Amino acid sequence: GAVVSQHPSRVICKSGTSVKIECRSLDFQATTMFWYRQFPKQSLMLMATSNEGSKATYEQGVEKDKFLINHASLTLSTLTVTSAHPEDSSFYICSARPSLAGGLTDTQYFGPGTRLTVL
Amino acid sequence: SQQGEEDPQALSIQEGENATMNCSYKTSINNLQWYRQNSGRGLVHLILIRSNEREKHSGRLRVTLDTSKKSSSLLITASRAADTASYFCATDVWIGNQFYFGTGTSLTVIP
Repeated sequence: GAVVSQHPSRVICKSGTSVKIECRSLDFQATTMFWYRQFPKQSLMLMATSNEGSKATYEQGVEKDKFLINHASLTLSTLTVTSAHPEDSSFYICSARPSLAGGLTDTQYFGPGTRLTVL
Repeated sequence: SQQGEEDPQALSIQEGENATMNCSYKTSINNLQWYRQNSGRGLVHLILIRSNEREKHSGRLRVTLDTSKKSSSLLITASRAADTASYFCATDVWIGNQFYFGTGTSLTVIP
């Protein structure tokens, strides 16, 4: 089946630094990718929808200047957590929706997640 | 928030029993999907049901969808200890091309 990778899988950083997380669709093209955040014992919260070649659409309450999203190619989207603070510590998961001629598919493929710890 | 709600939040059953989880959502959907997540791990896609479908089966899983009530249920029959995980519904929303997860049900199957 289709594979989505995330890198890094785990990152620990100091408060105030910026962290970049990559999401790649390995064997398909994805016009649309999604970024989620999950706190312990909670559900996945959609942060933003990333569209190739255009600006991301952020969910209410998500700071676009804090969480920079770049979807520069059909197989890569990046999430940069700028000036990270301990409250940004979370599990970040991306997903990719394959593009087909004539539209999008129903199926999404999820990455394995990135655990961010900000000290 | 567009997030759906699931109940129960937590469910503990004996191995061999059936487990039923419910999901309610707020907007019109293209489809609804169920996922499983083991603690601290990624998501595993279980089943997708489209808005024009009412019931779907996959192995020990049975999913129903009632679009008039904006609700879905996931039934796991003959549960096993390995079914212990968190289960989430997720709605694929037509407008805005967005995908929202429910609050999740934590299932514990006792051997």
